[in-house]
Order: sequence, then structure tokens, then C-alpha cells
Amino acid sequence: GESVGLHLPTLSVQEGDNSIINCAYSNSASDYFIWYKQESGKGPQFIIDIRSNMDKRQGQRVTVLLNKTVKHLSLQIAATQPGDSAVYFCAELNTGNQFYFGTGTSLTVIP
Amino acid sequence: KAGVTQTPRYLIKTRGQQVTLSCSPISGHRSVSWYQQTPGQGLQFLFEYFSETQRNKGNFPGRFSGRQFSNSRSEMNVSTLELGDSALYLCASSARLAVNEQFFGPGTRLTVL
Repeated sequence: GESVGLHLPTLSVQEGDNSIINCAYSNSASDYFIWYKQESGKGPQFIIDIRSNMDKRQGQRVTVLLNKTVKHLSLQIAATQPGDSAVYFCAELNTGNQFYFGTGTSLTVIP
Repeated sequence: KAGVTQTPRYLIKTRGQQVTLSCSPISGHRSVSWYQQTPGQGLQFLFEYFSETQRNKGNFPGRFSGRQFSNSRSEMNVSTLELGDSALYLCASSARLAVNEQFFGPGTRLTVL
């Protein structure tokens, strides 16, 4: 079966530092990936996406890297701010048009 | 535009009971997906509705069902509740079927005692 997993369940970073959150996926046929941010008491919020024909995509303070060889996805947050504290999920869209989500990494920004 | 709304926000039920959760998508959105979120399993896809028809279904037992109305509002029902059904149930809407960007509601926290 398919699985989307995260390497670390928690991550603490100093304010102003860069954060890197990792994700592994198992279905090499998946061609679309999304990173979501979920704050306490709220639903997931779309951050950035990437298709499998790309290796890198940049947004505002965020970059997603895709390594299809090792089926690895990462989210980089530049100059991490207290408002970035949340749980981050990666999700892959499988060939059946269903999203599979990881269990999430909890990011804590230390002021 | 108002976001996705879900009611109720919190619910406590006992084993064996049934529950109905409601989701109102963003105005103009016709696709509604439901997810179950638990600490151990993360978000798991339940089903997707578009134009009042179930278009996609995840691997959940038949106790989990849903429907969508002509105004795109959706309900999901869980019958014969089990302790393991305790979770946050999230609804997401999108403009079209299986479109990439989904907008999530705040969820309904269901506790089964």
C-alpha cells in the first residue's frame, strides 16, 4: 500500500533560523505533492505544491524540494517566525485521485 | 467569501450511537471531501462528493456514509459508533472535482465514550 511518512515528529528552531521538514513517500507513480500547515484548532492550510516534473519550487519564504530518486520531499522555511509554529503535513496525490497525508511534524519556534 | 464551515464543532457520543456531521463549502465550490484525522494515522480520506454524487471513496467501513445536497452542502454519517471513531473530521471544498487546491474547514471533534 501507499504510505507517506515524516522523518521527525517534532522540530524546534530558533526564531530567524531556517527550518527543514522532511517527508518520505512510497508510491513512485504519485505525481503531485502538497505541503499543508495546520495550526491548533484549525483545518490544514495549503502552503505550496509541486509536480513530479519539477525538483524545486519556491514560494514566499518557503521552498519545496522533490527528490524522486529516493522518494523524498522537503519543506524549507526561511527566517522562521513564531507564527510558523504549527503542524506541517505533506500529502501525495495517488493515481486514484486521492490524497494521502503523513502524520505531521510539529514545528515549534523558540523566540 | 466565507470559508468552509462545519457543524457542530464538538460532539460527544457513546458507543453504538450514530452521528451526522455537516459541512458547508465555500460559495461556488461544488466538490466536498471528508477526512478523518487521528494522532496515529494522520489525515485519512473518507470520500469525495461532486454534484450530489460520490466520486471517490477511501478505505473505511460501510458505517461511514455521506451525501451532498443540490446546494453543495454535505453531510457525513457514522453509524454504530466505536471508540476508535473518536477523531477530528475535516471537510474540504474545491471548485472542481479532484482539483489540487482544497480549502479545509476547522473540523468537528468527535469523542466516542
